[in-house]
Amino acid sequence: DAGVIQSPRHEVTEMGQEVTLRCKPISGHDYLFWYRQTMMRGLELLIYFNNNVPIDDSGMPEDRFSAKMPNASFSTLKIQPSEPRDSAVYFCASSLGTGGYLAPNEKLFFGSGTQLSVL
Amino acid sequence: AQKITQTQPGMFVQEKEAVTLDCTYDTSDPSYGLFWYKQPSSGEMIFLIYQGSYDQQNATEGRYSLNFQKARKSANLVISASQLGDSAMYFCAMREASGNTPLVFGKGTRLSVIA
Repeated sequence: DAGVIQSPRHEVTEMGQEVTLRCKPISGHDYLFWYRQTMMRGLELLIYFNNNVPIDDSGMPEDRFSAKMPNASFSTLKIQPSEPRDSAVYFCASSLGTGGYLAPNEKLFFGSGTQLSVL
Repeated sequence: AQKITQTQPGMFVQEKEAVTLDCTYDTSDPSYGLFWYKQPSSGEMIFLIYQGSYDQQNATEGRYSLNFQKARKSANLVISASQLGDSAMYFCAMREASGNTPLVFGKGTRLSVIA
């Protein structure tokens, strides 16, 4: 089975440009998460979805960040306009969930991440 | 408030020796799950081991074991017989059962295995 698929793997852009990161979760997984990893802050949860509905976006740093999940097999994280401080690795992850509930033992399956560099 | 604390930013271990990576957590929820993930230099996040708060025995997965001390709120990862391929970042994470919450991660420990 394919794991979580993220694209692109690397993105280099200039300040002010729009950046769109893409994610395909594991088929059948009800939960999708976007995390950001930096040296200073570690792994931070940005937003997560349950059955395509955003549940908690309190980790989204600013209005420049937006995320959508139009269907069960696709999600995007958009940054517009991008800034150098957005440079980080962005991970998408998914979990199975059961009946709309994340049990304590539910594993996260991660994608390979997108290394974003904003110049 | 920080829920997961990993106090060792970096550690070194000799090949074939055992090493313990520390993790303490903070929660008032009686039901929770603790995870360890490995991130090699290639960047992917690899699940290693899981411990439930109600599990009576410490979790083990091959060379990985979890030293779970509930009263101390610690969940240390023990890697036995270290190998060069164990060099990586290691993250401790927790999910509380109430509130249907996502995983919260610690800042990680970078382990370097020396030949």
